[in-house]
Amino acid sequence: QVTLRESGPALVKPTQTLTLTCTFSGFSLSTGGMYVNWIRQPPGKALEWLALINWDDDKYYNTSLRTRLAISKDTSKDQVVLTMTNMDPVDTATYYCARGGGGSLVDYFDFWGQGTLVTVSS
Amino acid sequence: DAQMTQSPSTLSASVGDRVTITCRASQSISNWLAWYQQKPGKAPKLLIYKASTLESGVPSRFSGSGSGTEFTLTISSLQPDDFATYYCQQYNSYSEHSFGQGTKLEIK
Repeated sequence: QVTLRESGPALVKPTQTLTLTCTFSGFSLSTGGMYVNWIRQPPGKALEWLALINWDDDKYYNTSLRTRLAISKDTSKDQVVLTMTNMDPVDTATYYCARGGGGSLVDYFDFWGQGTLVTVSS
Repeated sequence: DAQMTQSPSTLSASVGDRVTITCRASQSISNWLAWYQQKPGKAPKLLIYKASTLESGVPSRFSGSGSGTEFTLTISSLQPDDFATYYCQQYNSYSEHSFGQGTKLEIK
């Protein structure tokens, strides 16, 4: 059974760095073809893909947010970590991690975490 | 990168209706398109991938079609559980996954 769960602070101040952790089970990120993605959704708005990491430690980022994002993995803990620097109120959103479903770099997402709401406010 | 546009933004329908949601890509994405259902406060749920392949466990009243730049999601007979927001997502471009802006399906 595949599950993912996001964790991190609910509230961050402007200019701070956000660190989110995705803890997953039911698959291994050391298995070829596995990808874990981060996606966010501002309240009442559409989904936005942020970043992904694969079994081979390849990393890809949303072009417009590339300079602020970093993704990493700890295979021994079955975790993926996303950091986003210089947080702004417009970054207020629910942040999801999701597994790539088809074994490709650019893919659909077959399993999602429940999401974690991050509010950016002073 | 392909931009995705869904129509309509809001759709009002009744239980038992047949409904269709359209998703258009700004450039050809072959059949690399997925559809998701999202209910308030919940994560999106994968319904269809590769434009027309039904995800395991998804009711057969959901179907997808299209290729190139125009795609549709059809629900053959609306059930009470189907009232939600639906998103399309393209996964053709290596550089960016992108989603449509969503279609909210409301009870008439």
